[in-house]
Amino acid sequence: DAGVTQSPTHLIKTRGQQVTLRCSPKSGHDTVSWYQQALGQGPQFIFQYYEEEERQRGNFPDRFSGHQFPNYSSELNVNALLLGDSALYLCASSLGTGTQQETQYFGPGTRLLVL
Amino acid sequence: ILNVEQSPQSLHVQEGDSTNFTCSFPSSNFYALHWYRWETAKSPEALFVMTLNGDEKKKGRISATLNTKEGYSYLYIKGSQPEDSATYLCATRGGNTGFQKLVFGTGTRLLVSP
Repeated sequence: DAGVTQSPTHLIKTRGQQVTLRCSPKSGHDTVSWYQQALGQGPQFIFQYYEEEERQRGNFPDRFSGHQFPNYSSELNVNALLLGDSALYLCASSLGTGTQQETQYFGPGTRLLVL
Repeated sequence: ILNVEQSPQSLHVQEGDSTNFTCSFPSSNFYALHWYRWETAKSPEALFVMTLNGDEKKKGRISATLNTKEGYSYLYIKGSQPEDSATYLCATRGGNTGFQKLVFGTGTRLLVSP
């Protein structure tokens, strides 16, 4: 059973460019969440997708957008990249039950470097 | 705003030592507490989900307790092994931030020397 997969593993962009990161959830999961981990910090919640809709959003600007496809895979898009967007981007999947026991399972992340 | 704090920031122990870490969080509107283990270059691995005051969970040599009234959780590792070397993250759900997002601490980095 494949776990959560993300692509690419590493990416280098320059300021002002746009980037798309991809995530395939664990088999049977219908909910995808995205997190940003900057150096020295814990992962910060960007947003969550369920049934192809953004269900909840963290404190990130509109430059961060996402999409969920009918097969539950997801993309994270970041426009007008800033140096401060350099981070590890983690995707997590779960069964969107909303129960207390709901567990998010993480992928290995995409390391983005903005020059 | 939920603030989750973890201590210590890092820890270096010898093989066979037992150790413990602390996760502190606001106790109001608590919903769930998660522990993850994150080895370098791998995906964070879910260890426990804890929801009830007084909960105790165990997985092999690792165990965790939860006190929702005072807002803390302890993670214990008995007889540490080099393969336990990792960053241990705790995260909460609840409060006024919604029940979907995980709010993480900055983690405790454990190094176990042979």
